[in-house]
Amino acid sequence: GAVVSQHPSWVICKSGTSVKIECRSLDFQATTMFWYRQFPKQSLMLMATSNEGSKATYEQGVEKDKFLINHASLTLSTLTVTSAHPEDSSFYICSARLRVNYGYTFGSGTRLTVV
Amino acid sequence: DAKTTQPNSMESNEEEPVHLPCNHSTISGTDYIHWYRQLPSQGPEYVIHGLTSNVNNRMASLAIAEDRKSSTLILHRATLRDAAVYYCIPTGGTSYGKLTFGQGTILTVHP
Repeated sequence: GAVVSQHPSWVICKSGTSVKIECRSLDFQATTMFWYRQFPKQSLMLMATSNEGSKATYEQGVEKDKFLINHASLTLSTLTVTSAHPEDSSFYICSARLRVNYGYTFGSGTRLTVV
Repeated sequence: DAKTTQPNSMESNEEEPVHLPCNHSTISGTDYIHWYRQLPSQGPEYVIHGLTSNVNNRMASLAIAEDRKSSTLILHRATLRDAAVYYCIPTGGTSYGKLTFGQGTILTVHP
């Protein structure tokens, strides 16, 4: 149980375009999902907390107008990287958990390359 | 968020036990101690978590110090598939469940 599916697993886009990444909880409902970014040879960095039916909470230094998060249902959160630039190239990962004080389940990640 | 200290790297031989330490001296009383591992180009995988008493599951055991300022993840018989970066993360309580990843421990398993 507690499976999180992330799509796509990789994407290449041109500079200036937007890319949408989907994160789905397959067998449970997730009122809260988390989005992380990971650069090569670095650890995961929390970008934002996605809340179903309300605005996302962004970590300090993360541009909310650039990284748009939508959590319109209890099983789907999306991250849209708008006007992508090469420096946005990274590994994006989402996570959620079945209930409070349980362990977190992570998606398999999305490798974004902006050319 | 509670700060954690883990060794940068550790090595083990296959089929031997591995003890991965973590110091979290500033942990709050309501934080659970979570452990995750990550293979290259994959999302992290949940390993185990606990609050006060030691915990066991099919993957590992978690030994938590009585004062909760440190913990040890125990892999009873390391396999090559256990080679990964292991992260110890106190969460819950004041962090409201957010996971703040440190640098983790790179575990190398030798055949």
